[in-house]
Amino acid sequence: AQSVTQLDSQVPVFEEAPVELRCNYSSSVSVYLFWYVQYPNQGLQLLLKYLSGSTLVKGINGFEAEFNKSQTSFHLRKPSVHISDTAEYFCAVTISGGYNKLIFGAGTRLAVHP
Amino acid sequence: EAGVTQFPSHSVIEKGQTVTLRCDPISGHDNLYWYRRVMGKEIKFLLHFVKESKQDESGMPNNRFLAERTGGTYSTLKVQPAELEDSGVYFCASSQVVTAWADTEAFFGQGTRLTVV
Repeated sequence: AQSVTQLDSQVPVFEEAPVELRCNYSSSVSVYLFWYVQYPNQGLQLLLKYLSGSTLVKGINGFEAEFNKSQTSFHLRKPSVHISDTAEYFCAVTISGGYNKLIFGAGTRLAVHP
Repeated sequence: EAGVTQFPSHSVIEKGQTVTLRCDPISGHDNLYWYRRVMGKEIKFLLHFVKESKQDESGMPNNRFLAERTGGTYSTLKVQPAELEDSGVYFCASSQVVTAWADTEAFFGQGTRLTVV
């Protein structure tokens, strides 16, 4: 079975500072990896995904994530955050080649302060 | 193009009552999923429809939950009778069925916040 651990439930950061949101997964088979974002009063929106190929994946709004198979990690990074990045971020996995039944982590609340 | 729409956005009911949540997927999306997030925990898969057929209902908590998708369009999730532990946010998602998995993306609705008191 697959599982996802988001190591930080809350991350406070000042505007224009860099940020890293950590995600580790567990799986005995190959997986696809995702980061979703939920802004206040909105649905989940896909930020980026890793399916295969280059381990560095770039997404929307200046976010990127790096797949590290040996460390079973998929950490999300942004070099300079804005107030508008304040949201909850979810890491998720699904089994490669299967339907997109997603297994989510518990989420990380990113709070960007002026 | 309209996204995934869920009704109602909020619902507060008493323990023992019945509640029906509705999800309208993106037009043309045969895959429809229900997920639930209980009080700050992870978002958990409930079930998956392909058109009107249940492909996977392994995440349904118990027989108080009934999901339907008549005609393969919108879906309903009924909770009867509701219990306190059913409180949470219920998300619906939809996606196309395509041959290349890399082309699929699950689009999520805003969710229905259910509070059972």
